[in-house]
Amino acid sequence: AQTVTQSQPEMSVQEAETVTLSCTYDTSENNYYLFWYKQPPSRQMILVIRQEAYKQQNATENRFSVNFQKAAKSFSLKISDSQLGDTAMYFCAFMKNQGAQKLVFGQGTRLTINP
Amino acid sequence: DSGVTQTPKHLITATGQRVTLRCSPRSGDLSVYWYQQSLDQGLQFLIQYYNGEERAKGNILERFSAQQFPDLHSELNLSSLELGDSALYFCASSPLSVGELFFGEGSRLTVL
Repeated sequence: AQTVTQSQPEMSVQEAETVTLSCTYDTSENNYYLFWYKQPPSRQMILVIRQEAYKQQNATENRFSVNFQKAAKSFSLKISDSQLGDTAMYFCAFMKNQGAQKLVFGQGTRLTINP
Repeated sequence: DSGVTQTPKHLITATGQRVTLRCSPRSGDLSVYWYQQSLDQGLQFLIQYYNGEERAKGNILERFSAQQFPDLHSELNLSSLELGDSALYFCASSPLSVGELFFGEGSRLTVL
């Protein structure tokens, strides 16, 4: 079974700073997807970024980028120039590329951006 | 707006009761997933349906059941409710191809 671990329950940074959220996972699969989802106080789950395991290039979406280390099974999220609207719970998630395509989530990191 | 619609948004009921949560997936999405989010258990996968058939089962209690109808909407039925069933229940949908789940806003269930 796959497991996803987020070792930072809470983080807090000042606006405009850069912050990195950690995520490690355990799987015997070779083909899979990794995701970061954001859950603001409105509780909507919003996809931030995704990474296909077969791609060596790290995914980037505007101020959000990942550091994907497949051998180390590590998938960290970097938020540059953080904004107040980035305040949310962030969940790392894993999905196999075949079979039951369910998302397995980590426990989440509560990120607070301070003015 | 993800395009996934869940009703009701909030529901308060008593122990022992039964409730039904409804989900309309994004147009064209064949897969529907149900997740439970509670403070102590985090986000737990309950069940997946694909084009009307059960595809995968997670940590879903026997008191819970779900189905996906021909029009692809899905319902999650929770019966003999207990205090511990209080949680946020998410529905998500995805297209045929793998790679992304689109979540609804969730149904918050409070069992008193």
